[in-house]
Amino acid sequence: QKEVEQNSGPLSVPEGAIASLNCTYSDRGSQSFFWYRQYSGKSPELIMSIYSNGDKEDGRFTAQLNKASQYVSLLIRDSQPSDSATYLCAVHQAGTALIFGKGTTLSVSS
Amino acid sequence: EPEVTQTPSHQVTQMGQEVILRCVPISNHLYFYWYRQILGQKVEFLVSFYNNEISEKSEIFDDQFSVERPDGSNFTLKIRSTKLEDSAMYFCASTKGLAGEDTQYFGPGTRLTVL
Repeated sequence: QKEVEQNSGPLSVPEGAIASLNCTYSDRGSQSFFWYRQYSGKSPELIMSIYSNGDKEDGRFTAQLNKASQYVSLLIRDSQPSDSATYLCAVHQAGTALIFGKGTTLSVSS
Repeated sequence: EPEVTQTPSHQVTQMGQEVILRCVPISNHLYFYWYRQILGQKVEFLVSFYNNEISEKSEIFDDQFSVERPDGSNFTLKIRSTKLEDSAMYFCASTKGLAGEDTQYFGPGTRLTVL
């Protein structure tokens, strides 16, 4: 069974702090990794994609991938109340499907 | 910015009825997908479609489900005889290139309620 695991949270951080979201996956053959943000009742919205080991930065967001540990993370710097949402880790393993984790709920308090 | 669109936004149906959910993928995209999300649960893959045929389907996508690209723009998901457990958000997605090499962009979803 191919699994993507995330802590469901909620993760609570004060405004301006760094939020750290983590994800592990079971299939070593996984090739591509994505972080989506989902507001309640809305569709997943892409934040970051990462394909190779190391860090990838985009504005306040940094994705980190460690294939040896089967671990991918998302850091959000200078967290804002508008960042409050559920963050979905998605992994492409083979074929065409994205396998999603259950998501981590982030709450940023002002 | 191009986006995936879906209609209707909310569909209410009686158990046993057929429903068709519609999607218009991004115009130059070639690969199309359906996912569903039961309330409070994870997003689950249903099916992918390329070159007018199914590329891959999950265990959820049984004989009650079918997909079709009836013209050059629409991509539909049909549920033949709806069950209570089909109540969920259904998301359409599309990519220009192969999944894994390209990002899947999601439509706003259709909320299906089966009574």
